[in-house]
Amino acid sequence: DAKTTQPPSMDCAEGRAANLPCNHSTISGNEYVYWYRQIHSQGPQYIIHGLKNNETNEMASLIITEDRKSSTLILPHATLRDTAVYYCIVVNNNDMRFGAGTRLTVKP
Amino acid sequence: KAGVTQTPRYLIKTRGQQVTLSCSPISGHRSVSWYQQTPGQGLQFLFEYFSETQRNKGNFPGRFSGRQFSNSRSEMNVSTLELGDSALYLCASSLEGTGVADTQYFGPGTRLTVL
Repeated sequence: DAKTTQPPSMDCAEGRAANLPCNHSTISGNEYVYWYRQIHSQGPQYIIHGLKNNETNEMASLIITEDRKSSTLILPHATLRDTAVYYCIVVNNNDMRFGAGTRLTVKP
Repeated sequence: KAGVTQTPRYLIKTRGQQVTLSCSPISGHRSVSWYQQTPGQGLQFLFEYFSETQRNKGNFPGRFSGRQFSNSRSEMNVSTLELGDSALYLCASSLEGTGVADTQYFGPGTRLTVL
């Protein structure tokens, strides 16, 4: 079973920041938080991952709370092409259990 | 660097047949994982191979099997196909897949339709 809880859907206006929350209250000390997204039945695309510290790359930022029980993926300037299902996954030893994810719809 | 490739991209079979899907990982990656994605069950882990050995296995019947070759390429086989096996089959590769989390990169998938 997936170890994360995400809202089933969210909307965001084009050009605005998209903030996608994820709860992982049972996360263990050596487990990473990974984010992937899937655009219309293509293979999932890696976005970002983190352990304790906040992380940023060219695609997004990942904010992890101090107790590590939740995190937020931030897409700073959402575009229509960011419309996808976003998966938050807790990973240890390559064991990835996908949940249902959040369907993000970016609207013009 | 080329990404993960899967062949074929689309496949139509009939019930009772068997099928073999192929996955070529990113160069240098030694771990290959397979997933099944259906509208009802979402993305489900099938199995993982590393150094030609199955290292992890999900909760699927024995009709689903796989193997990995010395060049890290992997195949999965489904025997005695059922209608419910219609799905997108995804392959993902990573460098080592042990110890600390190792980022998996997915291929485009093979869309299998069982009639």
